[in-house]
Amino acid sequence: EAGVAQSPRYKIIEKRQSVAFWCNPISGHATLYWYQQILGQGPKLLIQFQNNGVVDDSQLPKDRFSAERLKGVDSTLKIQPAKLEDSAVYLCASSGLRGGSSYNEQFFGPGTRLTVL
Amino acid sequence: KQEVTQIPAALSVPEGENLVLNCSFTDSAIYNLQWFRQDPGKGLTSLLLIQSSQREQTSGRLNASLDKSSGRSTLYIAASQPGDSATYLCAAYLQGAQKLVFGQGTRLTINP
Repeated sequence: EAGVAQSPRYKIIEKRQSVAFWCNPISGHATLYWYQQILGQGPKLLIQFQNNGVVDDSQLPKDRFSAERLKGVDSTLKIQPAKLEDSAVYLCASSGLRGGSSYNEQFFGPGTRLTVL
Repeated sequence: KQEVTQIPAALSVPEGENLVLNCSFTDSAIYNLQWFRQDPGKGLTSLLLIQSSQREQTSGRLNASLDKSSGRSTLYIAASQPGDSATYLCAAYLQGAQKLVFGQGTRLTINP
C-alpha cells in the first residue's frame, strides 16, 4: 500500500512570496489533514478535510493560508504572502474509516520543509 | 486548554537498556492515543495506536499503555538499540479538542 505522498520536499522562498504544497493521501482515505511543525515542537493541525469538505480550519491563518481538496482526493496548501514565522515543516496526513469509527490511525507523509528568508 | 505533555524533552541511555517514555494529557475523555517516531528531517511513523477502550498495545519491542483516569500513557522500549534513536511523539485525540493534540516529543539517543 503506497503511503502519503507530498511535494516538494524542500522549498526556500523570500518573505512576501507565495508557495504551494501538494499532498496525495493513501488511496481510499476519506480524511486528510495538514499540520504545521515548527522546529522543536509537535505538529499543530491547520486544517482537516472529510472528502472535499472542511471539518476544522480553526487554526488556519486565513489571511494568508488557503487549502483545497476539490475532488476529495489530493490537496494543496498555499501560503500567500509568506512571513518569516512560516518557516516550518508542513505535514500531510490521512486516515480512513474502518468499522464505523471516526477516530482512526493517522498516517503521515514525509513533509515539506519550508524556509522563508 | 487541551494539552499533551512529554517529559523529559531529551533522554540518553546506553544500548541494551529498557526504557520508558512518558506522556500526560489534560482531558481524560479521549478517543485514542497514538505514539509516533520521527527521524531527523523525516515525517512521522506511526508506532502504536491505543483506542480508549484498550489498556495497552504491543508491537515487537514496544509496549504502550493507557491510563485514562490518571491522564497518562507510557511507551516502553525493551533492549534498546542505536537504531531506536529518534524523537518520539505522543498524540491524543481529545474529545474536548475534537482533534489529535501532540506533545512536544522526547528526543531519544541510544549510545552504542
